[in-house]
Amino acid sequence: DQQVKQNSPSLSVQEGRISILNCDYTNSMFDYFLWYKKYPAEGPTFLISISSIKDKNEDGRFTVFLNKSAKHLSLHIVPSQPGDSAVYFCAARYNTDKLIFGTGTRLQVFP
Amino acid sequence: DVKVTQSSRYLVKRTGEKVFLECVQDMDHENMFWYRQDPGLGLRLIYFSYDVKMKEKGDIPEGYSVSREKKERFSLILESASTNQTSMYLCASSLLRPIEAFFGQGTRLTVV
Repeated sequence: DQQVKQNSPSLSVQEGRISILNCDYTNSMFDYFLWYKKYPAEGPTFLISISSIKDKNEDGRFTVFLNKSAKHLSLHIVPSQPGDSAVYFCAARYNTDKLIFGTGTRLQVFP
Repeated sequence: DVKVTQSSRYLVKRTGEKVFLECVQDMDHENMFWYRQDPGLGLRLIYFSYDVKMKEKGDIPEGYSVSREKKERFSLILESASTNQTSMYLCASSLLRPIEAFFGQGTRLTVV
């Protein structure tokens, strides 16, 4: 049973526009959420995280929003750039050490 | 610069072979993880270790075992490789209570 879900397998956005990637989770015991970016033939790299006690965290062009009541988080990328084209995974931490990942969303940013 | 190194980028093995995937980290991290990535399934946790000689099963441990004899090294073992274990395998490490984990470049394993 997938505890972390990314329901959109792909997203296509024009350069300069906003990209919004969504993630839903089922386990209310998750205490930290993370976003990773993955290029083909490379390992995932960390982007941004948010504690479950916060509802927003911002780092440059990347902002993560957390809605605990809806068990939903989203990653906003503004403005989107062609180099942002990659697969994005959300992940959640539980039992203090385990990281559970979602299925990924492939973002394509076109000129 | 933090580094997680997986011993092979590509491997081809035969059904029934015993396969070892090695991972080394140079960050003195307590936690180490093995995931597999498959299309449409994302990254699924196979095993993780929070200390030397300690291990815990992840979501899909069947057909796999692990070994952590030294803090910097975490090995994934396929006892008898099968074609459904063809996948991209990713090793990661983190401090305790990770806010982020660092990944290796991945090993693409093909079992024929």
